[in-house]
Amino acid sequence: DAGVIQSPRHEVTEMGQEVTLRCKPISGHNSLFWYRQTMMRGLELLIYFNNNVPIDDSGMPEDRFSAKMPNASFSTLKIQPSEPRDSAVYFCASSLALSAMNTEAFFGQGTRLTVV
Amino acid sequence: AQSVTQPDIHITVSEGASLELRCNYSYGATPYLFWYVQSPGQGLQLLLKYFSGDTLVQGIKGFEAEFKRSQSSFNLRKPSVHWSDAAEYFCAVARYSSASKIIFGSGTRLSIRP
Repeated sequence: DAGVIQSPRHEVTEMGQEVTLRCKPISGHNSLFWYRQTMMRGLELLIYFNNNVPIDDSGMPEDRFSAKMPNASFSTLKIQPSEPRDSAVYFCASSLALSAMNTEAFFGQGTRLTVV
Repeated sequence: AQSVTQPDIHITVSEGASLELRCNYSYGATPYLFWYVQSPGQGLQLLLKYFSGDTLVQGIKGFEAEFKRSQSSFNLRKPSVHWSDAAEYFCAVARYSSASKIIFGSGTRLSIRP
């Protein structure tokens, strides 16, 4: 398996524009996580899905952020409208939480978002 | 609510010296604990994990960690660091279920002095 695949790797956009980040989890994994990493706040869990259903979105900063998982092999994180303070690295991770031995998150390489 | 604290933001050690990175967790039940490493520009890679059993866990790259329930700690150790160990290290906690929420600490940046 190629691992968790995120696209794009880098995104530069103007304030006010819509940004869509994409993630393909590892095949067969049933949990998917979106994290945001900044110098100031570290690694924050934004939202996570189990079997394509959002379980906890309490980390989503505000209504400008939304995430979807239409099927087991694809998820998006959308920011509309984007603001400079959204600049960060966004990581997607997936896991197969069927037993204790499976409960670990595999990370993609991240999308570095810069909003100017 | 579960939480993870890494009290050291940045640590510098000499190459060949021993290393210990601290991690304390807050959770009402026995947690599942992890250490991840992040090299510059990369995602996070799992070093080791603890679920149950032996409280001393061996991981990749010569790392180990010890779970101490009485201290709510899961410190990461390595007897002799290499320059390639310079990276950011994250401790994480989860509760096992069919939909586990994995929470990360703020990270410790490790620098290696030649």
